[in-house]
Amino acid sequence: GEEVAQTPKHLVRGEGQKAKLYCAPIKGHSYVFWYQQVLKNEFKFLISFQNENVFDETGMPKERFSAKCLPNSPCSLEIQATKLEDSAVYFCASSRDRGQPQHFGDGTRLSIL
Amino acid sequence: DQQVKQNSPSLSVQEGRISILNCDYTNSMFDYFLWYKKYPAEGPTFLISISSIKDKNEDGRFTVFLNKSAKHLSLHIVPSQPGDSAVYFCAASALGGSNYKLTFGKGTLLTVNP
Repeated sequence: GEEVAQTPKHLVRGEGQKAKLYCAPIKGHSYVFWYQQVLKNEFKFLISFQNENVFDETGMPKERFSAKCLPNSPCSLEIQATKLEDSAVYFCASSRDRGQPQHFGDGTRLSIL
Repeated sequence: DQQVKQNSPSLSVQEGRISILNCDYTNSMFDYFLWYKKYPAEGPTFLISISSIKDKNEDGRFTVFLNKSAKHLSLHIVPSQPGDSAVYFCAASALGGSNYKLTFGKGTLLTVNP
């Protein structure tokens, strides 16, 4: 498609439950990025993919967070054993290639109760 | 350590006038800069970008200026319109270091008054 599509828009989980977020990048884009927006205006990089390969995972809290981008499937970000501090808006972005702008989806708001 | 700084949390401008949003950075490895506009409950929308080999890039009402020696960039919007009211984010990456992730500033809320 012509837009980055993120689902669901809002996800509510109890503390300790699993959360899984999905992202369909723009068709033809090779790179996918995940960002976490915890405070209103602060974006934190989590992980990036080049096609189905992890490109940069320096921002991922590896103990509970995992992500995949498999061929012919939406990319996913999964959080095991969620904590209150995981409450945030998670944005996915894609770019055609290096040096090209990243285009963002509308985010998934994750609320941990 | 904030590597991209937008020191003005908010800016108010009259319709038809120029809006100037500023951004400073500290990491000399940054070589690609972007501006995004964001409405509430939506994702950031790409506006304009500039590579470090240039000092100016224009797209319609939007112009970005880059001063590498000062590690400063600015976004000019002219003429400003009420629909431009949004939070504007400056972002940077270090493509030369194969580092494609974006580092964001904290944003500036622009209000354009009719």
